[in-house]
Amino acid sequence: AQSVTQLGSHVSVSEGALVLLRCNYSSSVPPYLFWYVQYPNQGLQLLLKYTSAATLVKGINGFEAEFKKSETSFHLTKPSAHMSDAAEYFCAVRKNFGNEKLTFGTGTRLTIIP
Amino acid sequence: GAVVSQHPSWVICKSGTSVKIECRSLDFQATTMFWYRQFPKQSLMLMATSNEGSKATYEQGVEKDKFLINHASLTLSTLTVTSAHPEDSSFYICSAREEGLAGLTSTDTQYFGPGTRLTVL
Repeated sequence: AQSVTQLGSHVSVSEGALVLLRCNYSSSVPPYLFWYVQYPNQGLQLLLKYTSAATLVKGINGFEAEFKKSETSFHLTKPSAHMSDAAEYFCAVRKNFGNEKLTFGTGTRLTIIP
Repeated sequence: GAVVSQHPSWVICKSGTSVKIECRSLDFQATTMFWYRQFPKQSLMLMATSNEGSKATYEQGVEKDKFLINHASLTLSTLTVTSAHPEDSSFYICSAREEGLAGLTSTDTQYFGPGTRLTVL
C-alpha cells in the first residue's frame, strides 16, 4: 500500500522567504509522486510530478521538489514566496505501474505574511 | 495543458432529490476518470474510479446505489447523488487521466476539475 505524510498542517512564511513543505512517502514499490495546489473553492492544479526520471523536479510557479529515496521524502520548495502562493498544498503518491489511483496526504495550508 | 471542467460549480437542493454532476475532459480523451469527495479543511477521499464503457469501481464504504456513475464517452463522466440528504453536502471533485500518446502508460497524469459544491437542505 502507498501512503504519504505531510508534516505540518499549517505553514507560515514571510513574503520573499524560502518555502519548504514536507512530504514523506511509504510505498511497497517504486513510487510516482505528485504535488498539487488548491486555491479556495477550486479543484487541484498539478504543480509537478516525479516519475523516475530526474530526482530534482521543476514545476510551475517557481516550485521544485527533490525525490530522496534514502529519506523517502519528496519535499516541495520555492526560493522566494509570493503572496499568490497562499493556498492548500497536497502531496500524492501512486504505484509506478498499472492503472493505479492516487493516495493524497492531508494537506498543508501555506500562509504568506506580508 | 489538459483541462477538465465540472458542471455545475455549485448546487443547492432539497433533501430527497437527486443531483447530477458532470465532468468533462475538454482537450483530451480520458478512458479513466475519478470522483473524489472533500470535506472542509480535509484531504480528498477517492469515491470511485469511472471507466469508459464499463462499470465504475467503488472504494470501500461508498454506496454505489447512492452515488451512480456513468462514463458514457471518452470525454464525459457523470456522478448522480440519489435521494440526497444533508450529510451528502460536500465538495465533489473529479479528475481525468490523460493517457500517453501510445495509449495508457504508467506516467499518465490526473488533471482535476474545479469542483462542485453540493448543499442539501
